[in-house]
Amino acid sequence: GNSVTQMEGPVTLSEEAFLTINCTYTATGYPSLFWYVQYPGEGLQLLLKATKADDKGSNKGFEATYRKETTSFHLEKGSVQVSDSAVYFCALRRSGSGGSNYKLTFGKGTLLTVNP
Amino acid sequence: DTEVTQTPKHLVMGMTNKKSLKCEQHMGHRAMYWYKQKAKKPPELMFVYSYEKLSINESVPSRFSPECPNSSLLNLHLHALQPEDSALYLCASSLQSARPAYNEQFFGPGTRLTVL
Repeated sequence: GNSVTQMEGPVTLSEEAFLTINCTYTATGYPSLFWYVQYPGEGLQLLLKATKADDKGSNKGFEATYRKETTSFHLEKGSVQVSDSAVYFCALRRSGSGGSNYKLTFGKGTLLTVNP
Repeated sequence: DTEVTQTPKHLVMGMTNKKSLKCEQHMGHRAMYWYKQKAKKPPELMFVYSYEKLSINESVPSRFSPECPNSSLLNLHLHALQPEDSALYLCASSLQSARPAYNEQFFGPGTRLTVL
C-alpha cells in the first residue's frame, strides 16, 4: 500500500538557519505529492505540491522537488523565521480516477520550532 | 472566496447528547471530506462525498453520521459519543475531476470536540 515516511521531530532551529525536512514515499504509479503546514490551533494549509517527476513546488521561500528515482520529496527553506514554527506534513495522493484516489496518505508530521 | 468555514470552533458534549458539526465552502468544489485529528497525529480520513453522494466511509462507527445537503454544505451529526472521540474534526474540499490526484484539498480550521 501507499505510505509516507518523514523525519521524526521535533526540529529546533535558530532564526535564519537552513531547514530540511526529509520525506520519502512508497506508492504504485505516479502519485501527486504535497506539503501541508499546520500552525498551532489551526487547520492544515497547503504549502506546496508537485504532480510529476522532477516538478519543483515552491511557496513562501519553501521548496521541494519530486524525485522519482529516490522516491523523495524533501522540504527545504534557506532561512527560517520564527513565524515558520508549525507542524509540517508530507502527503501523497494516488494517481488514477478511482474513488480510493481521493485519499491523502500523510506522514506522521514534523514539529518545527524556530527560536529568535 | 477561497476558504472552508467550520462551526462551531469548540464543542463540549456529554455522551448522551446529540450535536452537529457544520462545514461550508463556496469554491464550487464537488468533493468534500471529514477528517479526525488526535493531538500530535496526522489527520485520519473519515468520509468522502463526491457530488453530494457518499463515496468513502472509512469504517467509521455509526455514532458519526455525515450528511451533504447541497454542494456547499457538509454536516457531521454526532450521537452517543465516547470520550475517546475527543479530537479536532477537520473538513476539507477539493475540485472534482478525472484526475483527483492533481487537486489539492483545502482544509477548514476545524472544530475542537471534547466528549465528557
